[in-house]
Amino acid sequence: AQSVAQPEDQVNVAEGNPLTVKCTYSVSGNPYLFWYVQYPNRGLQFLLKYITGDNLVKGSYGFEAEFNKSQTSFHLKKPSALVSDSALYFCAVRDPYNFNKFYFGSGTKLNVKP
Amino acid sequence: GAVVSQHPSWVICKSGTSVKIECRSLDFQATTMFWYRQFPKQSLMLMATSNEGSKATYEQGVEKDKFLINHASLTLSTLTVTSAHPEDSSFYICSARDRLASSYEQYFGPGTRLTVT
Repeated sequence: AQSVAQPEDQVNVAEGNPLTVKCTYSVSGNPYLFWYVQYPNRGLQFLLKYITGDNLVKGSYGFEAEFNKSQTSFHLKKPSALVSDSALYFCAVRDPYNFNKFYFGSGTKLNVKP
Repeated sequence: GAVVSQHPSWVICKSGTSVKIECRSLDFQATTMFWYRQFPKQSLMLMATSNEGSKATYEQGVEKDKFLINHASLTLSTLTVTSAHPEDSSFYICSARDRLASSYEQYFGPGTRLTVT
């Protein structure tokens, strides 16, 4: 079975500081990993994805994520947080046997304080 | 590009009534659309996969007679919650795949908040 885990319900960071939102995955086969952001009462917005290639993936709004196969992790990072980054972040893995199916983590609420 | 809309964005209905939610791909054609349900402070749960011109595929545990899905065109899928009850109150999100795109990326709508009183 495929799954992702986001161990932190909430991450607090001061504006201007680097941020990390953690994600670990469990998947049979090659992992196809995604990060999405959700603002209140809104749908999910795509941030970035890892399919193959470079372990460091760059995405929208200055976010990046590092794929680590040995640690089965795909942590989301940003060098300098903005207050406007405050939102709910979801890590997801695509089922390698059914590309239509995504498994989402439980979400991590990011709070960036001025 | 790749915009998905949902209507309504927010609906309140009385217990026992039915509610229809629309999901539209505005600038692309989607042979496949997906319906998710999100409970407060929880993740998204895939309810069903909607295929244009054929029956939807429901995930285990989702009542197909309660959550009717129709995908009548390449740009529109509808979810009808029949005989709604308060426990059906939730945030419903649809997503769509661009039929011309080689990737399997899904584009998400803004969601519909359903409250059943």
